[in-house]
Amino acid sequence: RKEVEQDPGPFNVPEGATVAFNCTYSNSASQSFFWYRQDCRKEPKLLMSVYSSGNEDGRFTAQLNRASQYISLLIRDSKLSDSATYLCVVNLIRSQGNLIFGKGTKLSVKP
Amino acid sequence: GAVVSQHPSRVICKSGTSVKIECRSLDFQATTMFWYRQFPKQSLMLMATSNEGSKATYEQGVEKDKFLINHASLTLSTLTVTSAHPEDSSFYICSASPALNYEQYFGPGTRLTVT
Repeated sequence: RKEVEQDPGPFNVPEGATVAFNCTYSNSASQSFFWYRQDCRKEPKLLMSVYSSGNEDGRFTAQLNRASQYISLLIRDSKLSDSATYLCVVNLIRSQGNLIFGKGTKLSVKP
Repeated sequence: GAVVSQHPSRVICKSGTSVKIECRSLDFQATTMFWYRQFPKQSLMLMATSNEGSKATYEQGVEKDKFLINHASLTLSTLTVTSAHPEDSSFYICSASPALNYEQYFGPGTRLTVT
């Protein structure tokens, strides 16, 4: 079983749509959770951390369900500039440590 | 915000030659730097963790004699791909982590093509 699993997509949505991505992780000892965004042929950039209580940053909402080992990202009012690959990332320890990346979910927002 | 640079951004080399990639933290001191590799349509895979002044820790399956890592200062780590082969062609990305902070800041990546 892969450590971090995501639906690869692509998700093709019109501008203004709401889209949700899901991710599951296999190691119950995982401590930190993140969503990164990666544009084509570029490095990943941190979108947001994911907290147990759920958190929101503008149009983006992240949720964590530790019992189900499940993480989600909701994007409201999609913009063309949201087109990218969204990477679910977990870290086994709170301090410096390696990040385990999912393969990513590709989102394409159309006019 | 924290800035990490990589050089070169793109390199094409012949099979059998060695290539050095530099990773620099520009506005913070990085006690730890990480080297990742990403093949097309695959996830980023950690190759090694590098701590300033000590030997790098390699992930399983990564040959330490082939991928030489040097982290001689708090702002610079280098990855040398020795005797490169076409299967080493990939996107190599470094990240750096400031002391006492688990967030990693990624460099822009180096696209290596071995012909």
